[in-house]
Amino acid sequence: EDKVVQSPLSLVVHEGDTVTLNCSYEVTNFRSLLWYKQEKKAPTFLFMLTSSGIEKKSGRLSSILDKKEPFSILNITATQTGDSAVYLCAVDNFGNEKLTFGTGTRLTIIP
Amino acid sequence: DGGITQSPKYLFRKEGQNVTLSCEQNLNHDAMYWYRQDPGQGLRLIYYSQIVNDFQKGDIAEGYSVSREKKESFPLTVTSAQKNPTAFYLCASRDRGHTEAFFGQGTRLTVV
Repeated sequence: EDKVVQSPLSLVVHEGDTVTLNCSYEVTNFRSLLWYKQEKKAPTFLFMLTSSGIEKKSGRLSSILDKKEPFSILNITATQTGDSAVYLCAVDNFGNEKLTFGTGTRLTIIP
Repeated sequence: DGGITQSPKYLFRKEGQNVTLSCEQNLNHDAMYWYRQDPGQGLRLIYYSQIVNDFQKGDIAEGYSVSREKKESFPLTVTSAQKNPTAFYLCASRDRGHTEAFFGQGTRLTVV
């Protein structure tokens, strides 16, 4: 069974801090790892990672994948209150198109 | 406007009743998914479908049923056999292959 474990489960930091969110996984036929941000209802897509060691970056957010361990991290620098959300990690199984999500990390940014 | 539409947004059900949640997409995506989210939890996969007239059980399929008679539609029925159905339900779709999934706005189901 495919499995995704995220840590920490929740995190409270002050505006301007840098945070690192972790995602480890087990999957039978790895195709990709995806990060999503969920503020209220529908999760919105952030990154898709397929290769180890190649950083994906979008503004203050960046992510990298290590297929050997295996895990991924999501970094957010100079955090803002608008970054408060649940961050979800998912793995894509090549063999059966199954998309398995983790428990999420709830990030709260204090002004 | 292309996207995924879930309806209704809020649904109340009496114990012992079956209810059906609607999910429609006009993105021409092959694969569709149903997830359940409980407070403070991540997404747990209920059912998914790769193509029309085919679907597979996810990790928590007991007490749920689905159909995929049309490419654009993937309704989820929450049956009376589901012991704890109160939750937030999310539908997603994506192209087959190497792409991200797009989500609907969700249906919040409450058993009263």
